[in-house]
Order: sequence, then C-alpha cells, then structure tokens
Amino acid sequence: AQTVTQSQPEMSVQEAETVTLSCTYDTSENNYYLFWYKQPPSRQMILVIRQEAYKQQNATENRFSVNFQKAAKSFSLKISDSQLGDTAMYFCAFMKRLGVIQGAQKLVFGQGTRLTINP
Amino acid sequence: DTEVTQTPKHLVMGMTNKKSLKCEQHMGHRAMYWYKQKAKKPPELMFVYSYEKLSINESVPSRFSPECPNSSLLNLHLHALQPEDSALYLCASSQALADTGELFFGEGSRLTVL
Repeated sequence: AQTVTQSQPEMSVQEAETVTLSCTYDTSENNYYLFWYKQPPSRQMILVIRQEAYKQQNATENRFSVNFQKAAKSFSLKISDSQLGDTAMYFCAFMKRLGVIQGAQKLVFGQGTRLTINP
Repeated sequence: DTEVTQTPKHLVMGMTNKKSLKCEQHMGHRAMYWYKQKAKKPPELMFVYSYEKLSINESVPSRFSPECPNSSLLNLHLHALQPEDSALYLCASSQALADTGELFFGEGSRLTVL
C-alpha cells in the first residue's frame, strides 16, 4: 500500500525566508504523480505543485520548487522568499490511479505540515 | 470556470435529521469525489464517482448515501448521523483519464452533528 509521511507537524519562519517541507512516500509503482497541496485557514485546498515520477527534472512554480529523489522516495517542497499568504497547512500527496476503465484516481495524503509565516 | 461549489457552507443537524450536501462543477470533469476531513487531519476519501457511476466506496457507513444525478452534480445524503461524523466534507473533481492528476477541491461543508 502507498503511504506518505510528513515528519514536520509544524514549522514557523520569518517573512522572506526560505523554508523546506519534507515528505517521504512508499510505493512499488514506477509511474505515478506527487503533489503538494496547500490548505489556508479559509479551507479550500489548492494545488501548489505537481511532479511526474518519470520526469527527472524537478518541478518549479514561481517561488515553489521541489527536490524529487525517486530512489530515496523523497519529495520535499521549498518555498523561497516566503510571504504571509503562504501561511497554511501543506499536504504532500501521492496519486494512485484507480484503473483506466474507472477513469478516476485516489490521493493518498500525508498528515500535513502547518506552516506559519511571521511578519 | 475552475470552481467546485459546495452548499451549504455550514450545517448543524440532530442525529435524527435527514439532510444533504451538494457539490457542483462546470469544468466538464467526469470524476467526482467526497472526502471527509477532521480537524488538523488530512482528507480521507469516502466515495469516487466516475462517469456518474459509483466507482469506489471506502467502506463508508450506510448513513452516508452519495448520489450523482448528472455529470455536474454530486450529492451526499445524510441520515441518522453520529456526533463523531462532525467534520469538514470536501468535494473534489478531476478529469477522468487525464494525465494531469490534479484534483480541484471545493471549500467544503462544515457539518456539526448534535
């Protein structure tokens, strides 16, 4: 079974600093997707960044980048120049396809890291 | 339109009540999901609908009854709930058979069972 582990329940940094959130996962699959989702206090979960396992290049989205180490099954998120609006719960997630016929998928989430950006 | 809309945002119900949660999306997604999220915990998958058919039921008690009337709507009917069912219920949708793997979430319905 796939599992996702986030070892940092809470983190706190000053505005403009760089912060890295850790995530490890376990799977026997070779092709899969990994995600970081952000859930601000207003509750709506939004996608921050996505990594396809067959791509060796690390994904980047503006101030957000990942360090994807497939062999080590590690998928950390780096936030550069952190902003107050980055304060949120961050979930690392593994996507498991539920079969071509079914045409759907299942996200397996880690326990989350509560990130606070202080002014 | 990249929104998933959930109503109501807040719901308080007694253990003998019958209520429904509603979810709507107009992105043409053919996979829709219900997740349950307790405070400070990750979302837990409850149901998956693919092409309006129930694909996955993650051993959810029968007091939760999902319904997908059409490709844009997803309902969750609630009956005889327990206080431990109080949680944030999230609806999500995705492109079926797509490579992006992205789920789009609604803001959730905060349910309190008295």
